[in-house]
Amino acid sequence: QVQLVQSGAEVKKPGSSVKVSCKASGATFNNHAISWVRQAPGQGLEWMGRIIPLLNTTKYAQNLQDRVTITADKSTTTAYMELSSLKSDDTAVYYCARTVRGVLPDYYMDVWGEGTTVTVSS
Amino acid sequence: DIQMTQSPSSLSAVVGDRVTITCRASQPVSTYLSWYQQRPGRAPNLLIFSASKLQSGVPSRFSGRGSGTEFTLTIASLQPEDFATYYCQQSFGLPHNFGQGTKLEI
Repeated sequence: QVQLVQSGAEVKKPGSSVKVSCKASGATFNNHAISWVRQAPGQGLEWMGRIIPLLNTTKYAQNLQDRVTITADKSTTTAYMELSSLKSDDTAVYYCARTVRGVLPDYYMDVWGEGTTVTVSS
Repeated sequence: DIQMTQSPSSLSAVVGDRVTITCRASQPVSTYLSWYQQRPGRAPNLLIFSASKLQSGVPSRFSGRGSGTEFTLTIASLQPEDFATYYCQQSFGLPHNFGQGTKLEI
């Protein structure tokens, strides 16, 4: 059974950085992308970006591009999302998701991690 | 950016009802459209991809239609476990924006 296992909850000060990990199976890393999506309390889903680990290529949402970095370690089949210059508005649950490239070619997220709560508070 | 707008934002229904949720894109996205269900406190779950393809393991009462700028998700006969929030998402252009969500309530 395919699983994505995320790191635990974090509490951070404004202006600091957070790095969330997402451990995947080897097959996921070799054949798919990993996307990151966040959800602020009581709000909807926000796409942050994705990485194709095999090619080490990334795409980011423009509104976060200056602060977010998505990386992948092929040796441990773990993806990371680092967000810098944290603000209270960054308080959210952060999800990683296996992202399949379809035949169109569209992209869709078929396996999700359990989410990591990041709280930004002074 | 391509903006995705869902309607309605919330919907009250009863078990057995047939319900339809609409998602509109601010510009054409072909069929690069997926639907997700999210129950409270849980990660989203993929229901439909490529606008109309049912994800493996998803009950056949869920169906998706549309192309271009207008899409629908239909639940043929609501079951108790279907009361959740539903999101559409486009992957035609970056960023891959989601709709604002439709909360389906009893």
